[in-house]
Amino acid sequence: ETGVTQTPRHLVMGMTNKKSLKCEQHLGHNAMYWYKQSAKKPLELMFVYSLEERVENNSVPSRFSPECPNSSHLFLHLHTLQPEDSALYLCASSPQGSATQETQYFGPGTRLLVL
Amino acid sequence: AQSVAQPEDQVNVAEGNPLTVKCTYSVSGNPYLFWYVQYPNRGLQFLLKYITGDNLVKGSYGFEAEFNKSQTSFHLKKPSALVSDSALYFCAVRDGNTGGFKTIFGAGTRLFVKA
Repeated sequence: ETGVTQTPRHLVMGMTNKKSLKCEQHLGHNAMYWYKQSAKKPLELMFVYSLEERVENNSVPSRFSPECPNSSHLFLHLHTLQPEDSALYLCASSPQGSATQETQYFGPGTRLLVL
Repeated sequence: AQSVAQPEDQVNVAEGNPLTVKCTYSVSGNPYLFWYVQYPNRGLQFLLKYITGDNLVKGSYGFEAEFNKSQTSFHLKKPSALVSDSALYFCAVRDGNTGGFKTIFGAGTRLFVKA
């Protein structure tokens, strides 16, 4: 394991539900990321936090709401999702975030199905 | 704008034969290039990266990649494939001049190694 954990691993929700995805990193990193992975498409960067401050927001619909209470935890709050939001949601972390040569460390992902 | 192309959705190779997974990129500044691998039900794992220096980069599990600036390519190679190398491989790029947090990933290439 890479030191980045995600819960739950699988989630099925209706379009009117509210749920949250959780990510925790045990690596002492300062930057955390949310990505969306859909079949046969490039990973889409959704949000980046550095030192608990949001530094990147890639035109993500407001039905996705991130929260970073501290540098070890990252949440993605979901509400009124659409079926096309079904995907694998990956969390990642990196030591500083601002250094472009940094390697990212990924969690196993949450497989989300929206019915 | 940054972009990454992985022209092959799938690569098939026999065990023991050499393998190549192709990647081309486009950035306005200096490219920082990465390869990640994803095994089933797992997050992405870092394989290797090119930042500067020797164009031939060696990474985990016997993989290597060659940076070719004139062809804007960063192909992943291994001299002798193993069945356990079967996985989804992602090429990624960051713009070393602009800095920032954004990593652009390719759509991935699925590698099948046949025994």
